[in-house]
Amino acid sequence: DVKVTQSSRYLVKRTGEKVFLECVQDMDHENMFWYRQDPGLGLRLIYFSYDVKMKEKGDIPEGYSVSREKKERFSLILESASTNQTSMYLCASRSTGTGRGEQYFGPGTRLTVT
Amino acid sequence: AQSVSQHNHHVILSEAASLELGCNYSYGGTVNLFWYVQYPGQHLQLLLKYFSGDPLVKGIKGFEAEFIKSKFSFNLRKPSVQWSDTAEYFCAARGSTLGRLYFGRGTQLTVWP
Repeated sequence: DVKVTQSSRYLVKRTGEKVFLECVQDMDHENMFWYRQDPGLGLRLIYFSYDVKMKEKGDIPEGYSVSREKKERFSLILESASTNQTSMYLCASRSTGTGRGEQYFGPGTRLTVT
Repeated sequence: AQSVSQHNHHVILSEAASLELGCNYSYGGTVNLFWYVQYPGQHLQLLLKYFSGDPLVKGIKGFEAEFIKSKFSFNLRKPSVQWSDTAEYFCAARGSTLGRLYFGRGTQLTVWP
């Protein structure tokens, strides 16, 4: 079974703090993704990575950055947390081996910025 | 850019009722289509997917979806829902095998026992 794990289920941070969200997958997947999920807005893509050291902006990259130094790990960084970044953050990974890979999701990190 | 529309934001049904959730996508080429489900407190998981071939796709837990190319639609159906189907359902589309997924805004399904 594919396993995507996220470092925290719940996180509370203060405005202005630098926040790191970590995601690890154990299936050697090439692609990894970060989304935020908000009620009524569905899943919005923040950043994604096709492979190690590669990154692409998604639909809402402002205020975020990412790092992918190793294939299994994809980090989302909030450079200076703000209250409008309070949300559920979902990580996903996908294999491109057969070209038909589905995305596998982690359990999510609910971040509250106060 | 691609987009995915889910027209029902919240659907409320009684057990044993039939379900159809609408999904339309805006991509004219070859498209991969997915339905994901998120049960309360759980992570997103795949219900079913369509890549090619038979446009009627069967997934887990008795769900199915029909790809109608002329209507750019991929509606999700279940003949008889159960209380345990209460969840949020997301439709997603991808325009190429290497491309990112585009998600709809989700439909919250509530099933009353």
